[in-house]
Amino acid sequence: AQKITQTQPGMFVQEKEAVTLDCTYDTSDPSYGLFWYKQPSSGEMIFLIYQGSYDQQNATEGRYSLNFQKARKSANLVISASQLGDSAMYFCAMREGQNTGNQFYFGTGTSLTVIP
Amino acid sequence: DGGITQSPKYLFRKEGQNVTLSCEQNLNHDAMYWYRQDPGQGLRLIYYSQIVNDFQKGDIAEGYSVSREKKESFPLTVTSAQKNPTAFYLCASARLYIQSNYGYTFGSGTRLTVV
Repeated sequence: AQKITQTQPGMFVQEKEAVTLDCTYDTSDPSYGLFWYKQPSSGEMIFLIYQGSYDQQNATEGRYSLNFQKARKSANLVISASQLGDSAMYFCAMREGQNTGNQFYFGTGTSLTVIP
Repeated sequence: DGGITQSPKYLFRKEGQNVTLSCEQNLNHDAMYWYRQDPGQGLRLIYYSQIVNDFQKGDIAEGYSVSREKKESFPLTVTSAQKNPTAFYLCASARLYIQSNYGYTFGSGTRLTVV
């Protein structure tokens, strides 16, 4: 079974509007971390936001927020007030266990296009 | 400034040739990783290492080899046994057992094309 599933290959959003990128995960480990990365066309991976499995509140970082629904095993990324520079690939990732050196599992990504 | 350097940025290989991709970090990170990225498939783990002179296979290790002789360096060799090596290769590093919100630091990638 896939550890991370991203079901939206491509998304479009109007500039200044909000957009939600979906991510579901599968793990039996009670301790895990969920990450979102942005990959512009240049190829670099940019860390956006983190949510720990024991965190009670949804994570927020500026215009990014993570809608964490533990019972549904979903960790959707919400981008508010979209900007043209948000056009990129977005990857959801999970790391299981306490060791921060454990491998990440990545989804297949969502390509976001912001329309002026 | 600390970071991860991958070189070269673009690499062309003839069929049947081995090529080595370089990954160097000056972050004093213990763990290093190699991922392969193909369109529509996300990132898949090739090899990783959490300590010098030790490394483990990831999900798609066949046709690849690595070494970890120094903490700072984790080169990846794409051998002629790799049937479809054309892809984007990303190197990453991480510290072990620190605050849990700490993720990977990535290099800028190497795009390998077989000609």
